[in-house]
Amino acid sequence: AQSVSQHNHHVILSEAASLELGCNYSYGGTVNLFWYVQYPGQHLQLLLKYFSGDPLVKGIKGFEAEFIKSKFSFNLRKPSVQWSDTAEYFCAVKSPNFGNEKLTFGTGTRLTIIP
Amino acid sequence: DAMVIQNPRYQVTQFGKPVTLSCSQTLNHNVMYWYQQKSSQAPKLLFHYYDKDFNNEADTPDNFQSRRPNTSFCFLDIRSPGLGDAAMYLCATSREDEQFFGPGTRLTVL
Repeated sequence: AQSVSQHNHHVILSEAASLELGCNYSYGGTVNLFWYVQYPGQHLQLLLKYFSGDPLVKGIKGFEAEFIKSKFSFNLRKPSVQWSDTAEYFCAVKSPNFGNEKLTFGTGTRLTIIP
Repeated sequence: DAMVIQNPRYQVTQFGKPVTLSCSQTLNHNVMYWYQQKSSQAPKLLFHYYDKDFNNEADTPDNFQSRRPNTSFCFLDIRSPGLGDAAMYLCATSREDEQFFGPGTRLTVL
């Protein structure tokens, strides 16, 4: 079975600080990778996704993520965070070899931005 | 404007009293999912439908059942809720590569 690890459980940053949230997955075959965000009281929304091509993926709200196959990683970055980025962030992976319709989620990282 | 709708948003039930959560979608997607999410944990897939084909996860308890009467609607039935079933239940849909989530139903078991 595949698994997804997010080692940062809770990150606290000041506004304008740079952000990097770690995500590692276990499966070495073909994978599709996602970052979802859940703002307080709201539903999960897609931030960005990687399927193929350029390993540096740009998403909404200034977020980007880099797929590094050799490290089994898909870290999320933002150069300058805002108070409105306070949310829970989930990394997820999908693989044709584990049921192409199924996502496996990491445990999430709670991000708190201090004004 | 809403794409994946879940009702109710909050559900309180008693220990052992059957409860049904509902999900509807306006996206006409062929795949629908039910996830359970407990506090500070990852969403855990319970089962999904690919069109009418039901796919149960191996570790989903028998206490959880699902129905999909048509493309737009999907129901989660919990036959005898226990205290451990208190959680947020998320419905999602997908057509190809992206899942769209509803706002969730928070279930409280007294």
